[in-house]
Amino acid sequence: DQQVKQNSPSLSVQEGRISILNCDYTNSMFDYFLWYKKYPAEGPTFLISISSIKDKNEDGRFTVFLNKSAKHLSLHIVPSQPGDSAVYFCAATTWGWGDDKIIFGKGTRLHILP
Amino acid sequence: EPEVTQTPSHQVTQMGQEVILRCVPISNHLYFYWYRQILGQKVEFLVSFYNNEISEKSEIFDDQFSVERPDGSNFTLKIRSTKLEDSAMYFCASTKLDRDKPQPQHFGDGTRLSIL
Repeated sequence: DQQVKQNSPSLSVQEGRISILNCDYTNSMFDYFLWYKKYPAEGPTFLISISSIKDKNEDGRFTVFLNKSAKHLSLHIVPSQPGDSAVYFCAATTWGWGDDKIIFGKGTRLHILP
Repeated sequence: EPEVTQTPSHQVTQMGQEVILRCVPISNHLYFYWYRQILGQKVEFLVSFYNNEISEKSEIFDDQFSVERPDGSNFTLKIRSTKLEDSAMYFCASTKLDRDKPQPQHFGDGTRLSIL
């Protein structure tokens, strides 16, 4: 049951360039989307989120874009830095429907190359 | 910055034994959760807890599992009779209550549970 899909298991990007991580979802009732970053031996760390009433949310180097008609979201990191090397999880909930459990994707491992 | 803390970081237990995983959520948070991640698989929801009762639980959260908030700061997950397939990373999470706007869940660093 893959309601949240991250089809790229890994991604390598040169330091200073833009990293774009993609995510697709199947459940049209999802109305709140989150990106988490995870280092080895640590828990997921919240990065940025977006509500379904918006199509873009920006926080410093991180921007999340939401395309509801395509059921697609993406995380842009610019410029990419060495400390950005981690696993990134796309996640979604049906908050407005009274259900806030998070459904996670499998993650994309981002490698920032020097 | 306040954070969710979990203890122990690693728990090794014999199959059939009871285990209790402990969490201290962020102090002004009112919703609490447990998730788990089996090696190589997705992070998956187990249970949510609010106002001293379970709000929702997944199919994984069967009668062998229970949660408790024994005092004002701790939130525990108990597995009564552990099985080999319970081996996983268990993450606790918490979030603020805001009925007007969704809030992100904040996660602890997890407890690695190894069943022998």
